Amino acid sequence: DAKTTQPTSMDCAEGRAANLPCNHSTISGNEYVYWYRQIHSQGPQYIIHGLKNNETNEMASLIITEDRKSSTLILPHATLRDTAVYYCIVRVALGGGSQGNLIFGKGTKLSVKP
Amino acid sequence: KAGVTQTPRYLIKTRGQQVTLSCSPISGHRSVSWYQQTPGQGLQFLFEYFSETQRNKGNFPGRFSGRQFSNSRSEMNVSTLELGDSALYLCASSSGQYSGNTIYFGEGSWLTVV
Repeated sequence: DAKTTQPTSMDCAEGRAANLPCNHSTISGNEYVYWYRQIHSQGPQYIIHGLKNNETNEMASLIITEDRKSSTLILPHATLRDTAVYYCIVRVALGGGSQGNLIFGKGTKLSVKP
Repeated sequence: KAGVTQTPRYLIKTRGQQVTLSCSPISGHRSVSWYQQTPGQGLQFLFEYFSETQRNKGNFPGRFSGRQFSNSRSEMNVSTLELGDSALYLCASSSGQYSGNTIYFGEGSWLTVV
């Protein structure tokens, strides 16, 4: 089962910031939080990941709480093209050269509206 | 640089047949994973290969198999196809060197079993 909990759906106005929450209360100390998004019929697109510090890249920012039990993905200026299903994933670390497997939940369907 | 490439993109097979799907990872990536996505079950992990060895396996029947070649390219095979095998099959690659690296997905192969 997925180790994360996300709202089923969210709406956001175009041009506004989209804040997508994720709960991962059972996360272990060496497990990373990853965010992907999937637009219908395409492969999941990597957005960002982090361990305990906040992270920012050209696509988004990731805010992780100090206790690491939840995080928020922020799309600073949402556009219509950001409409997608967003997956928050805790990556199971196996070591030994294994990348581990990503356990996907149902994600959040973000609808950006004009 | 080129992303993860999957072939074929679309295919239709008849129940009872077998199918082979191919994946070329990002140059330099040695770890390849496969996922199945269906409307009912969502995204599910099939297996992972690193340096030609299967490192991790999901909960799928033995009809699903895979392999990795010395150039890191991977194939997955499904024998004795069933209608329920109709799905989007996704390949993902990473350097596999540590658990905090990025995993990139291909666009997937759409399999329809009739």
